[in-house]
Amino acid sequence: SQTIHQWPATLVQPVGSPLSLECTVEGTSNPNLYWYRQAAGRGLQLLFYSVGIGQISSEVPQNLSASRPQDRQFILSSKKLLLSDSGFYLCAWTRPPNTEAFFGQGTRLTVV
Amino acid sequence: DQQVKQNSPSLSVQEGRISILNCDYTNSMFDYFLWYKKYPAEGPTFLISISSIKDKNEDGRFTVFLNKRAKHLSLHIVPSQPGDSAVYFCAASSGGFKTIFGAGTRLFVKA
Repeated sequence: SQTIHQWPATLVQPVGSPLSLECTVEGTSNPNLYWYRQAAGRGLQLLFYSVGIGQISSEVPQNLSASRPQDRQFILSSKKLLLSDSGFYLCAWTRPPNTEAFFGQGTRLTVV
Repeated sequence: DQQVKQNSPSLSVQEGRISILNCDYTNSMFDYFLWYKKYPAEGPTFLISISSIKDKNEDGRFTVFLNKRAKHLSLHIVPSQPGDSAVYFCAASSGGFKTIFGAGTRLFVKA
């Protein structure tokens, strides 16, 4: 069976510090991978998606970046966090042609 | 520009009654629609979906209705149970790739 791991579950970081959130998928190959952020009243905002190793598409210009160094690994990064980067970050995967997404448990990021 | 809209931030229903959650979309290219359920501090879990070639899909207590002309879909939960209390997200996809989510509706089912 497929599983998705996302860590850490919670993170408190000072403004200006770097960020690295990691997500790995097991039990499937060549998944489409996604990073979403849940903000109050805005639902789940798609930040990045990837259809393969090294292929990253950004949906929203911002202070964050993503990388996919391996087929089942997706990393969300920032060089310098802003207060506005606080939120609940979710990693997800789909396996085409299926559209149903499977989400990780999420990371609650608080920038102080 | 919100392509998927859930205009009701919350809904309160008595146990045993029907819960109806609504969703509107603007992009006529969407061809697949999904509902997800989310508990606090957890990732959303897939609930039910419908293809644009259908107007109804049923799975146990959950039924999704799609009205393409009105660009509207709804999720019916019958009968509602206290365990159904959660945030429900409507989502839409075009070509099976990027999925756009609505803002969510928080459902309270009172015992």
